[in-house]
Amino acid sequence: AQSVTQLGSHVSVSEGALVLLRCNYSSSVPPYLFWYVQYPNQGLQLLLKYTTGATLVKGINGFEAEFKKSETSFHLTKPSAHMSDAAEYFCAVSDQRSYIPTFGRGTSLIVHP
Amino acid sequence: DTEVTQTPKHLVMGMTNKKSLKCEQHMGHRAMYWYKQKAKKPPELMFVYSYEKLSINESVPSRFSPECPNSSLLNLHLHALQPEDSALYLCASSQDRTVYGYTFGSGTRLTVV
Repeated sequence: AQSVTQLGSHVSVSEGALVLLRCNYSSSVPPYLFWYVQYPNQGLQLLLKYTTGATLVKGINGFEAEFKKSETSFHLTKPSAHMSDAAEYFCAVSDQRSYIPTFGRGTSLIVHP
Repeated sequence: DTEVTQTPKHLVMGMTNKKSLKCEQHMGHRAMYWYKQKAKKPPELMFVYSYEKLSINESVPSRFSPECPNSSLLNLHLHALQPEDSALYLCASSQDRTVYGYTFGSGTRLTVV
């Protein structure tokens, strides 16, 4: 069975500071990993995904994530936060046996001016 | 067209009403999904359609009835709902049953009174 742990239900940063949202997963087979963003009163939008190949994945809006198998992690980063990045972020995992993703509980990113 | 369109955006219904939610995509995706999302929680899978056939029903109460009239349309028929069914209902689609991520609609905010 798959599982996802997002450390920190809220992360607060200042505008221009580094954004780091943590995601650890559990999967008995090679995972497929995703980050989604949800703005208020919107659906989820795919930020980036890792399936195979390069472990550093670049996504939209300047975000990137690195798949670290030894640490079972897929942390999301952005060098410089912008006010418009304030949203809820969900990490998700699936695999070839269960293509339905398991979502983490979400991390709310708060950006202060 | 790279969008999933959901209508209506907001819906208020009484517990004895019958209403329907509609979802449409024109990306050629052959898998479509209904999710339910409560505030500050991850989305919960309700139904999966693959090639217009219901493939997964996550033990959803019969007061929710899905329908897939064709490969572009997905409906969710609602009848005799309870106040606890109030939530954001999200539709999503993907390329077949793959692991490349979902495209979500912006959702229908449902309030049951």
